[in-house]
Amino acid sequence: DARVTQTPRHKVTEMGQEVTMRCQPILGHNTVFWYRQTMMQGLELLAYFRNRAPLDDSGMPKDRFSAEMPDATLATLKIQPSEPRDSAVYFCASGLDLGQGAFQAFFGQGTRLTVV
Amino acid sequence: AQKVTQAQTEISVVEKEDVTLDCVYETRDTTYYLFWYKQPPSGELVFLIRRNSFDEQNEISGRYSWNFQKSTSSFNFTITASQVVDSAVYFCALSESNSGNTPLVFGKGTRLSVIA
Repeated sequence: DARVTQTPRHKVTEMGQEVTMRCQPILGHNTVFWYRQTMMQGLELLAYFRNRAPLDDSGMPKDRFSAEMPDATLATLKIQPSEPRDSAVYFCASGLDLGQGAFQAFFGQGTRLTVV
Repeated sequence: AQKVTQAQTEISVVEKEDVTLDCVYETRDTTYYLFWYKQPPSGELVFLIRRNSFDEQNEISGRYSWNFQKSTSSFNFTITASQVVDSAVYFCALSESNSGNTPLVFGKGTRLSVIA
């Protein structure tokens, strides 16, 4: 049963600490998305990768957020330093290529981040 | 730019009622895909259906049905004889091809509450 795995599921941290979220995409999917979900903003796209290369990270606050794909089985999203306004659920999604640039997203269970 | 609008923020129905969730999209592309996802209280995002722009045939799956109308740029979702387990947030999404835009855009979601 192919699925996207995200760790940790929950994270509580103090303001100023570094947070690293990890994602294992579905094998064979070459596109990975990072979304943030809050009550106010809904689902926001932070960044996405194709074949491990970042294609768009314009949704991410560059001064504190960074996203990488060190290899095809691992995507990471880091926040340093974290702030209370970063509290949200962060979803990773694995992209099934539908051809010509269109994708279907398969989501992980999310990481619920609370920054106190 | 592509856009997905779910005008209904929250809907409340009594069990066994039928309910329709609206989704209106904007795109300049002729080739695109539309999706519905369900997010139950547990938080995961569950894929429900995918439709491509060349297939306007309506789809029925058990109590769920989808009405795709290109003339009105709508992809509405109807739940017949709603049940408490249908309570969730439902997201409509659009993926364009060859657009150079964000490959997958979500609406803000509609929170459905089914009351016993």
